[in-house]
Amino acid sequence: KQEVTQIPAALSVPEGENLVLNCSFTDSAIYNLQWFRQDPGKGLTSLLLIQSSQREQTSGRLNASLDKSSGRSTLYIAASQPGDSATYLCAAGGGGADGLTFGKGTHLIIQP
Amino acid sequence: DGGITQSPKYLFRKEGQNVTLSCEQNLNHDAMYWYRQDPGQGLRLIYYSQIVNDFQKGDIAEGYSVSREKKESFPLTVTSAQKNPTAFYLCASSSDLGGYGYTFGSGTRLTVV
Repeated sequence: KQEVTQIPAALSVPEGENLVLNCSFTDSAIYNLQWFRQDPGKGLTSLLLIQSSQREQTSGRLNASLDKSSGRSTLYIAASQPGDSATYLCAAGGGGADGLTFGKGTHLIIQP
Repeated sequence: DGGITQSPKYLFRKEGQNVTLSCEQNLNHDAMYWYRQDPGQGLRLIYYSQIVNDFQKGDIAEGYSVSREKKESFPLTVTSAQKNPTAFYLCASSSDLGGYGYTFGSGTRLTVV
């Protein structure tokens, strides 16, 4: 059974710093990997989707990488801003009928 | 705009009462999902449906029931058999077994009073 782990569980950094959030998964036979952002009391907003055949995806200041062989993905946030404060969730898609397997998230605080 | 609509945003349940959470999508997605989110536990799958009139139990289906009579709709009923229903409930949808990713609704917060 797939297990997804996110490190660190919480992170607080000053505005302007570049930062990396880590995600690891136990079963490398994934179909894709998706990063989400969740603001307090809100639903999930999709940030990036990486297919199993891809190494990385970029959107603005965000870059996500995928290394299937080592079971790892990273989310890189450049020039962080207070508006980036949220919980970031990593989820592995197995390509089956039963949806995504989620990590517990990284709670990120960007200090002004 | 295409998306998923969950209602209500907040819901209060009395002991022994059944309540139903609504989830509607206009993305023409075949598959729909219900997840439960508790603090510190991440999201856990309750039920999923790949096509109309078919659905499967997820990891924590006990005390919940669903129906899928229309492609656009996947309501979740929290029954009195669910002993700890207070949580944040999220509905999602996907096409092509998630090949294009998953879209989530804004959630319903259920509280037992």
